[in-house]
Amino acid sequence: QPVLTQPPSVSAAPGQKVTISCSGISSNIAANYVSWYQQLPGTAPRLLIYDNNRRPSGIPDRFSGSKSGTSATLGISGLQTGDEADYYCETWDTSLNDERVFGGGTKLTVL
Amino acid sequence: QVQLVQSGAEVKRPGASVTVSCKASGYTFNTYGIVWVRQAPGQGLEWMGWISGYDGNTYTAQKFQGRVTMTTDTSTSAAYMELRSLRSDDTAVYYCARHKGGRDGYNRGTFDYWGQGTLVTVFS
Repeated sequence: QPVLTQPPSVSAAPGQKVTISCSGISSNIAANYVSWYQQLPGTAPRLLIYDNNRRPSGIPDRFSGSKSGTSATLGISGLQTGDEADYYCETWDTSLNDERVFGGGTKLTVL
Repeated sequence: QVQLVQSGAEVKRPGASVTVSCKASGYTFNTYGIVWVRQAPGQGLEWMGWISGYDGNTYTAQKFQGRVTMTTDTSTSAAYMELRSLRSDDTAVYYCARHKGGRDGYNRGTFDYWGQGTLVTVFS
């Protein structure tokens, strides 16, 4: 059972905006920075967001991140068919000896 | 450009060991860490542990302690992960990733570049 809770799936139409939630507790999300990763089918994960809301170079500003308390959110605007992928949140947990923990992943379908 | 190139797929019997390699290029190896993450078929991502590219310090996730050894060879900018006493539920794709901010510890930073993955299949 993943430490961080994500919805198994979300869907939206091209051009629309979608948000993906990541729920944790005081010892993980509330206390530490959150990263988000995109995994296209059959490929390795790719970093989308780090330090809660920062984008690496090359990641379009259609992708955004935020955090409030024990929850984090990934936002994707102007959806494209190429955004269909699995998305994972990640942080570390101070109650687990600071081990890194992932959410269970959310499958995004662009209808 | 930063690249992490992993070794090829492996097929192993239960009880055997496997070593996955991760060759880094395009950056100064000893200023970052390397993490290992695995993904069982159809499942999510699971963090296995961290190694510093600077001094070789490691931390192995509790679940894998006693079965995993992580090493680096700074002369070749390579990292290695050995998993022992393989079981069928170790069948997974194993990824290495560069740990930005992870030169000195695993409880900070993010995983900014990933290898292509190595499929390890365990079956009798």
